[in-house]
Amino acid sequence: SQQGEEDPQALSIQEGENATMNCSYKTSINNLQWYRQNSGRGLVHLILIRSNEREKHSGRLRVTLDTSKKSSSLLITASRAADTASYFCATDTSNDYKLSFGAGTTVTVRA
Amino acid sequence: DTGVSQDPRHKITKRGQNVTFRCDPISEHNRLYWYRQTLGQGPEFLTYFQNEAQLEKSRLLSDRFSAERPKGSFSTLEIQRTEQGDSAMYLCASTLGQGTPLHFGNGTRLTVT
Repeated sequence: SQQGEEDPQALSIQEGENATMNCSYKTSINNLQWYRQNSGRGLVHLILIRSNEREKHSGRLRVTLDTSKKSSSLLITASRAADTASYFCATDTSNDYKLSFGAGTTVTVRA
Repeated sequence: DTGVSQDPRHKITKRGQNVTFRCDPISEHNRLYWYRQTLGQGPEFLTYFQNEAQLEKSRLLSDRFSAERPKGSFSTLEIQRTEQGDSAMYLCASTLGQGTPLHFGNGTRLTVT
């Protein structure tokens, strides 16, 4: 079973717009990570946020974490066609370092 | 850092045949993971190694699946008597240790006919 669930399942936006996707999880975590996957490729790590952090930025990416609601969001600002991909959240729970992935959000950026 | 490499990229096999995939992790990474991903889903954990020790294997993994990591370097994943339900992308990832990001290979896509 998968720990995290992303919402929405799919998102289509115009180039230059912002994209927001959410992740909810079930058990307490050490950290939460976001990954990107282009079609037919492996996953690429984007950002890691620890359980004691509330917000983190990396370039055009902004991640928030609300441990009281067991949820996280990923915001991509000023989207580009190259941002077209699937985005996954992954949780690292307290017992072991075995990331559990959600089903992902597929983002399509229209030129 | 040449990244994680996986071989082959694609494998088509007939039901009942055995297949073996190889993963070469980033050289200084002591943890290595195998995941399976089907279309429209996120990666599903299969097993992981710390150095040469296989520390955990998913309960979802049948005994037709076996993985090794001799000498704590490359790893192989073997599937015996393949079934159509084994068709998926098999992803390998490595990392330095707990709390550090996973580095994924580009996967091996298995099609069982």
